[in-house]
Amino acid sequence: SQQGEEDPQALSIQEGENATMNCSYKTSINNLQWYRQNSGRGLVHLILIRSNEREKHSGRLRVTLDTSKKSSSLLITASRAADTASYFCVRNAGGTSYGKLTFGQGTILTVHP
Amino acid sequence: DGGITQSPKYLFRKEGQNVTLSCEQNLNHDAMYWYRQDPGQGLRLIYYSQIVNDFQKGDIAEGYSVSREKKESFPLTVTSAQKNPTAFYLCASSIWWLEGWTGELFFGEGSRLTVL
Repeated sequence: SQQGEEDPQALSIQEGENATMNCSYKTSINNLQWYRQNSGRGLVHLILIRSNEREKHSGRLRVTLDTSKKSSSLLITASRAADTASYFCVRNAGGTSYGKLTFGQGTILTVHP
Repeated sequence: DGGITQSPKYLFRKEGQNVTLSCEQNLNHDAMYWYRQDPGQGLRLIYYSQIVNDFQKGDIAEGYSVSREKKESFPLTVTSAQKNPTAFYLCASSIWWLEGWTGELFFGEGSRLTVL
């Protein structure tokens, strides 16, 4: 089954609200990353959190990691219409799994002006 | 500006034809990757290359072929053996894997292949 599953599959909010997306995984990780993809475009790296970290911030982004629950969350504060995109969590198992990052199916975020 | 360039952005293919998607990077990255994305799904790894003249199969390599003759270039050929080639194809690159490799990928803008 897929690793790095995201929840919810789709999220619709108003501008100014916060958006929270969750990601669960099944096996141990070296780090977990979040990427953003605008419709029909390539993915853009947003933030990386290592397995020994619990929380990380970057601008309006806040990522948490709970390795005991094998889950991560991405919070976007004070959302803007320009945040409308798909967001993917990507598990990096490290070790010998070079080149084999595991992508979730993504959360589609729609921010209404 | 450094980045990854994929071409063409849109490509149409008749059944039975081979097509080649181009991927060029000027980030001086050693590793390059090809992913396939289908609607509503995550990315699946087709092939990756860690170094020139070497490449490895990913999870869905059947029906695809690659070459890595130059560090900057990693073209993907979708062969007639690929039964369901209609998809969005993404090329990516990263630094060479070292201890503590983060796995951060830099992506191109993608190529959308449609089989007629």
